[in-house]
Amino acid sequence: EIVLTQSPGTLSLSPGERATLSCRASQSVSSSYLAWYQQKPGQAPRLLIYGASSRATGIPDRFSGSGSGTDFTLTISRLEPEDFAVYYCQQYGSSLPLTFGGGTKVEIK
Amino acid sequence: EVQLVESGGGLVQPGGSLRLSCAASGFTFSSYWMSWVRQAPGKGLEWVANIKQDGSEKYYVDSVKGRFTISRDNAKNSLYLQMNSLRAEDTAVYYCARSRLYCSGGSCYPGYFDYWGQGTLVTVSS
Repeated sequence: EIVLTQSPGTLSLSPGERATLSCRASQSVSSSYLAWYQQKPGQAPRLLIYGASSRATGIPDRFSGSGSGTDFTLTISRLEPEDFAVYYCQQYGSSLPLTFGGGTKVEIK
Repeated sequence: EVQLVESGGGLVQPGGSLRLSCAASGFTFSSYWMSWVRQAPGKGLEWVANIKQDGSEKYYVDSVKGRFTISRDNAKNSLYLQMNSLRAEDTAVYYCARSRLYCSGGSCYPGYFDYWGQGTLVTVSS
């Protein structure tokens, strides 16, 4: 089972600032099969990024994903008020189970 | 518009059973792998189970094997999760999610989740 560790646990930033979220895997994620999701309180997760760097339909270009192997990053270039939420990474390139990271909360400073 | 609507959650005693349903619309249900993902209160996400388009393949996280059964009815555009021998640690919001495939070595497998329902809360407590 691949364990995903997200850091930091909480990121305190102001609107307009850049957010950099990390997701580290316990072993290499095959072919960069990694996704990112955004979840707001009381809502279901929403797919942002798949294949480590491909934006899902309707996702603004201020969201970008990068990385390979064991180290992946989600970057939000300029935080908008609606971007304050919890973000999860998920790997899907290895044998089951599909696993998620523990999440990073992006909060307003 | 893709819609996934879960139902069937509620309060159940330890050792009890519950059946969750997910009604799908806005896409060709029979063409997609489907999954259940859960989230314990205040915790992160955990994949629970998935099922192939025709129901011929089913996979589970170890913690629910032998207790939970995923199934589908393509004629009714519906996904189900039968949960037996429920434990306190099964308390969570259960999400129905559509799976997208990734292909490797000539085969394709369920990967990430592109649409999610709003979830249904299952509480296991005496």
